[in-house]
Amino acid sequence: GAGVSQSPSNKVTEKGKDVELRCDPISGHTALYWYRQRLGQGLEFLIYFQGNSAPDKSGLPSDRFSAERTGESVSTLTIQRTQQEDSAVYLCASSLMGGSLNTIYFGEGSWLTVV
Amino acid sequence: GENVEQHPSTLSVQEGDSAVIKCTYSDSASNYFPWYKQELGKGPQLIIDIRSNVGEKKDQRIAVTLNKTAKHFSLHITETQPEDSAVYFCAYEDSSYKLIFGSGTRLLVRP
Repeated sequence: GAGVSQSPSNKVTEKGKDVELRCDPISGHTALYWYRQRLGQGLEFLIYFQGNSAPDKSGLPSDRFSAERTGESVSTLTIQRTQQEDSAVYLCASSLMGGSLNTIYFGEGSWLTVV
Repeated sequence: GENVEQHPSTLSVQEGDSAVIKCTYSDSASNYFPWYKQELGKGPQLIIDIRSNVGEKKDQRIAVTLNKTAKHFSLHITETQPEDSAVYFCAYEDSSYKLIFGSGTRLLVRP
């Protein structure tokens, strides 16, 4: 069915631990995006997948951040050795394919708090 | 670099009045300009979009205008209602198909 699904919806982790955030795009959507939104701020682009390839990962803030996508479906964003400044909502979005002819739909986000 | 400026950052209007939010972008190659509405604790939802082959688009109480020469576009909401209260983001699509977002406008509609 439905829309873009993300899990967990909320995650509290200790500084220094690794976290994995999951995104299930809308079925059949080949393009998938990750964005970060700090409290009260706009959306920062992290990475874009077309199929299982990432033609644009220019927004990943450091080598602690990585993402992969398998089966042209599920994507996982991994943050290693989390820092307090990583606290934010991580939003996943998908579209039928890359390009402006296709609407980009967002999930509800995964709220990450690093303590 | 890629940039879009959005104004105002906050906007308070009386129910029934109009609200206007403006954005200016830098990438002259952009051809797609969506607007998203984000309610508290939710993901952004597309409310209207416009492509560069038109100057205006309307959908009921919402309209968007685009001036490609001046590189700015605006969202107009008429007859505002309390349920219009949310954060609104403008965006444009860059050459690698990702959306670049403005910093958002928090709209409050007072009953």
